[in-house]
This record gives sequence, structure tokens and C-alpha cells, in this order.
Amino acid sequence: GDQVEQSPSALSLHEGTGSALRCNFTTTMRAVQWFRKNSRGSLINLFYLASGTKENGRLKSAFDSKERYSTLHIRDAQLEDSGTYFCAAEVDSGYNKLTFGKGTVLLVSP
Amino acid sequence: DAGVTQTPRHEVAEKGQTIILKCEPVSGHNDLFWYRQTKIQGLELLSYFRSKSLMEDGGAFKDRFKAEMLNSSFSTLKIQPTEPKDSAVYLCASSQDWGYEQYFGPGTRLTVL
Repeated sequence: GDQVEQSPSALSLHEGTGSALRCNFTTTMRAVQWFRKNSRGSLINLFYLASGTKENGRLKSAFDSKERYSTLHIRDAQLEDSGTYFCAAEVDSGYNKLTFGKGTVLLVSP
Repeated sequence: DAGVTQTPRHEVAEKGQTIILKCEPVSGHNDLFWYRQTKIQGLELLSYFRSKSLMEDGGAFKDRFKAEMLNSSFSTLKIQPTEPKDSAVYLCASSQDWGYEQYFGPGTRLTVL
């Protein structure tokens, strides 16, 4: 089965509101990355965490290796936040490869 | 500093052709990855190099897919022969080392007719 389960698959928000995306892992992960796919299809790095939380503007991410999950919180959503968000995790194997979630399509409307 | 670059951005091939995709990692990065992205499967790892040595060749993708890294600043992914099911976006990524985040290129969109 999938090692990285991302939810929800789609999310609609009104401007100014917030929500959270979540990734659950079926095995111990060493680190997690969060990406947003931009309008040209490129993956833009949002966060890289080996533990704890990080915050950048209206985005905040957390990673708990022991509890096997990571979250991405968006607050005060803006129209330009619309897009597809992916989490990806490194299996704790000494190899630096990422296993991706299926993505969350976020639509922010006025 | 340039990010990861990939060429071409788009490729159209006939079934049975050989195509070669190219990637230049971020300067100084030791790890390089090739992924394939489709709507159904999402992102799947094809190959992984560490300091130019092939660490993983993607199991199910071995038959017709061959990635090479001739020097630390250039990698190719050859698909031979191509099949329509190979139509996808092929992404290259690089990382400074183990324990560092990966940076992705813009991808090559391959269409096999």
C-alpha cells in the first residue's frame, strides 16, 4: 500500500479563511518536504522538516516522526494560494529518496 | 545560482522511438533523482544517483529506462523503445546531500503517439 497518505484530495476555501492538509505515513519517515505546484507546473519548495514545526508567512508545517504524520496549515488564504500541494517523505533508510503523497488541490475563492 | 534545468520542456515521440531527456542539477549538489509524474500514479522514483553512482534504478522501470550520470553536472534519461504508456511528465531533482531538501526542475512533458 501507499506509504504516504495525503488528505484531503481537494479543498475549497474562501479568502481569509484557513485549513490544514495532512499526510499520514505507514512507516517511520526521517524527514518531510512540502511543495506547491505553480501555474507552470514546477514544484516549489515550501518546507523541509526533520522534526518539529516551521513557519513561513501564512504557512506553518509540523512533522512528528514518532506519530507518523505531517501537517501544512494555511491561514488567511489568498487567491494566489490556489494550486496543488504535495507532501513527500524520506524513508528512514539512509537513502535520500522521496515518496510522494497524491496531492491536495486547493481552490481559494473570493 | 541556476536551479535544476531540464531539456527539452516538451517531447513528442512515435511508439518505438528512442528519446533522451537531459538534466543539469544545482551546482555542487551530490544527489540526483529522476521521477515520473502521471495523474494516476502520482510521482514515482525512476533513478537515484549519489556522487554519480547509481543507487537505485527504479525496479519496474529497468527494462526500457536507463539513467546515466556522466559527470556531476549532467544526467540523461533514455527511454528505448518508447510506448504510449510512457506519456508523462519526467522530473529531475537534486539535493546537496543526505539530509537536505530536494529541488525540482520544471520537467519534460513526453507524449508518445
